[in-house]
Amino acid sequence: QQQVKQSPQSLIVQKGGISIINCAYENTAFDYFPWYQQFPGKGPALLIAIRPDVSEKKEGRFTISFNKSAKQFSLHIMDSQPGDSATYFCAASNTGGGNKLTFGTGTQLKVEL
Amino acid sequence: GAVVSQHPSRVICKSGTSVKIECRSLDFQATTMFWYRQFPKQSLMLMATSNEGSKATYEQGVEKDKFLINHASLTLSTLTVTSAHPEDSSFYICSARWGQRYLFGPGTRLTVT
Repeated sequence: QQQVKQSPQSLIVQKGGISIINCAYENTAFDYFPWYQQFPGKGPALLIAIRPDVSEKKEGRFTISFNKSAKQFSLHIMDSQPGDSATYFCAASNTGGGNKLTFGTGTQLKVEL
Repeated sequence: GAVVSQHPSRVICKSGTSVKIECRSLDFQATTMFWYRQFPKQSLMLMATSNEGSKATYEQGVEKDKFLINHASLTLSTLTVTSAHPEDSSFYICSARWGQRYLFGPGTRLTVT
């Protein structure tokens, strides 16, 4: 019930294309869904986050789509750039109970020229 | 702005010795901090939740006598790896909650020789 499933494991996208990463969860108590970007040897950096009362949130080239009934959420990176090449993690938390973040398994994104 | 810092960024120690890693919240107070461990090309694994002024809560399978956590103030938590062995070599990352956001430190690379 605590798992967050993430796919794909790796992704190659051409420069200017759209990168899409998907996550699914089971615990309906989760109420906070962030996405993190991690470069090699660095800590994860918060990209964007969403709560289940909205279906979409956009910040610059990054968009989260959230489907509460399907218990799925996804990250879309528009106009992908080589500098976006990194590992992306989705996560989920029940902010009212325990506060722990449960992470997905990660997606290694490579944006090619 | 709110930032989580870690020190040191890299540490090499000999087998059998202990090493301490510091995690600080800058420009905010954190009653709860989290310690993660990450192996190459894997996701973050929560080790323990550190609570200011009380005992840490360890995840199942994490040896509390080996990974000592002290959260002595609202801005500092420490992780001490006692009697380190080569299998403890890993990337250790701390996190703190700032409002709704979970901020992460830059990580500490521990190598045990």
